[in-house]
Amino acid sequence: DTEVTQTPKHLVMGMTNKKSLKCEQHMGHRAMYWYKQKAKKPPELMFVYSYEKLSINESVPSRFSPECPNSSLLNLHLHALQPEDSALYLCASSQGDRASIGEQFFGPGTRLTVL
Amino acid sequence: DQQVKQNSPSLSVQEGRISILNCDYTNSMFDYFLWYKKYPAEGPTFLISISSIKDKNEDGRFTVFLNKSAKHLSLHIVPSQPGDSAVYFCAASVLGTGGKLIFGQGTELSVKP
Repeated sequence: DTEVTQTPKHLVMGMTNKKSLKCEQHMGHRAMYWYKQKAKKPPELMFVYSYEKLSINESVPSRFSPECPNSSLLNLHLHALQPEDSALYLCASSQGDRASIGEQFFGPGTRLTVL
Repeated sequence: DQQVKQNSPSLSVQEGRISILNCDYTNSMFDYFLWYKKYPAEGPTFLISISSIKDKNEDGRFTVFLNKSAKHLSLHIVPSQPGDSAVYFCAASVLGTGGKLIFGQGTELSVKP
């Protein structure tokens, strides 16, 4: 299994809603990532989990809250988002530990629209 | 400050010819470089990578060249096929920094039959 899956594919939410994005991989990878991608822009790193511990937080606002329940799962909890948070949210995983990265395998993304 | 730059937003090539996608970087600490391909409504797919200790890496139709003195890398696709039409992102990292990739803006490649 060389896939990273993400659910839901599309999400529309209001500014007062609470929702979660989910990501799963069964490749035995120990690093997992959340990226945000706006239209016509490159992916921007948000968070990195290494061995289920948060290792990088790229100064992301607290309305985004990541969670790594186990080595295969990664969640992104959303609360009180703004319309400018509308974007494609990508999850990725890699074998890498703190010393290396290797290539990152990306999921198809969740297209988020905040009204 | 954009540390990884792809100055050509688009490139059009005839099927069977060579496609050359370029990428420049400013951070001399980068020591690992990757190319990703992205179709609409899909996540990026890893294509090929190169470590800074090499100047060339080849995988089938794809070859990446690295010129450290010029802080420049390029991806060559030979021969180009219509299925190669996609957005190509160059990415760079410093090994040991926990997997942080810095992406370029992307180049949209169109391969015409």
